[in-house]
Amino acid sequence: DAKTTQPPSMDCAEGRAANLPCNHSTISGNEYVYWYRQIHSQGPQYIIHGLKNNETNEMASLIITEDRKSSTLILPHATLRDTAVYYCIVLIYNQGGKLIFGQGTELSVKP
Amino acid sequence: GAVVSQHPSWVICKSGTSVKIECRSLDFQATTMFWYRQFPKQSLMLMATSNEGSKATYEQGVEKDKFLINHASLTLSTLTVTSAHPEDSSFYICSARPSGAGIDEQFFGPGTRLTVL
Repeated sequence: DAKTTQPPSMDCAEGRAANLPCNHSTISGNEYVYWYRQIHSQGPQYIIHGLKNNETNEMASLIITEDRKSSTLILPHATLRDTAVYYCIVLIYNQGGKLIFGQGTELSVKP
Repeated sequence: GAVVSQHPSWVICKSGTSVKIECRSLDFQATTMFWYRQFPKQSLMLMATSNEGSKATYEQGVEKDKFLINHASLTLSTLTVTSAHPEDSSFYICSARPSGAGIDEQFFGPGTRLTVL
């Protein structure tokens, strides 16, 4: 099973881009990288996912390295409401699509 | 669309009692639902996978007789914490996968905070 490694915490100034790294060096060729976030005492919220190409949606951009061993989630203009724990997850397809959450990165956006 | 609700949002009970938590998919049918537990300052831990009309599949170390899961319809799964004790106090979160959707689609509920006195 692919595991992920993320820094435990990061700070970001409001209005600046937040770049959250994730290492998934044991990822298999057909496994997707998913990003969720959890605001305090709420259920996780889906952000974005990707396989090998960079992806962008209304919330964020996902940059995956060519060797797929790491990725970066980019929040282009962080706001105070983006303060949350961000989880990088590799979806386990051969186990029914289970999401196994790691420890995540606690992002604090400061004024 | 794709809203998942949980009821109750919080519950306080006495030690030794059983507590039932409901997870509902409001605007879609869900063949598969997942149950997670989260202790303070910790990550989500998958407890079990619930499939409509069949027995749940529990993760290693999760007591199936302690945490009873019933997925009797395509829009409702329930988690019953039997004979709850203070160490069962936690944040319980469910997620639901729309029927016919890709294996990667899951929508999370808002969570239920259980406090056992």
